[in-house]
Amino acid sequence: AQRVTQPEKLLSVFKGAPVELKCNYSYSGSPELFWYVQYSRQRLQLLLRHISRESIKGFTADLNKGETSFHLKKPFAQEEDSAMYYCALSGHSGNQFYFGTGTSLTVIP
Amino acid sequence: DAGITQSPRHKVTETGTPVTLRCHQTENHRYMYWYRQDPGHGLRLIHYSYGVKDTDKGEVSDGYSVSRSKTEDFLLTLESATSSQTSVYFCAISDRVAGANTGELFFGEGSRLTVL
Repeated sequence: AQRVTQPEKLLSVFKGAPVELKCNYSYSGSPELFWYVQYSRQRLQLLLRHISRESIKGFTADLNKGETSFHLKKPFAQEEDSAMYYCALSGHSGNQFYFGTGTSLTVIP
Repeated sequence: DAGITQSPRHKVTETGTPVTLRCHQTENHRYMYWYRQDPGHGLRLIHYSYGVKDTDKGEVSDGYSVSRSKTEDFLLTLESATSSQTSVYFCAISDRVAGANTGELFFGEGSRLTVL
């Protein structure tokens, strides 16, 4: 069965410090991994997806199939990064998206 | 923002009453989803639709039913609401092409339901 695990419910870092939000998954196949973000009073929205290998707002995430991880990283956190972050997985059928429990990131000024 | 609207945005109801939440899209996307968001559980898929009159169950479908009679509308019904169904419900849409894993979910603003 597919599963997405985000071990940290809450994460606080100081402005300018590096930040890493952890995501591990289990899936018998080749999944597609995503990070979604929900800023205060805004809709949940896509931050980045592994297939695009892109950097969005300074965030990157590398899919590590050996460790079944897709951690989200940013070298220098900014106050505007404070938000709820969800890791998500989509299987080979492409019809269903499974989300982790989310990590609430607070960047301290 | 993608053209997705949910109604009602807030509702308070009593245990045992039926409740219907509506999701309306103007994007002509094929796939539509209903999720519930709860602290400690994140987002959990209730039901989804891959076309008009084509629906399937998600992880937490018990106590919920859905209908999609038109491309643009996806209804979520709680036949007899219970306190455990107090939650924030999100509708999402996707234009995922079959066989192509490049889809993105676009979310509505959420509907907060309280069952007393």
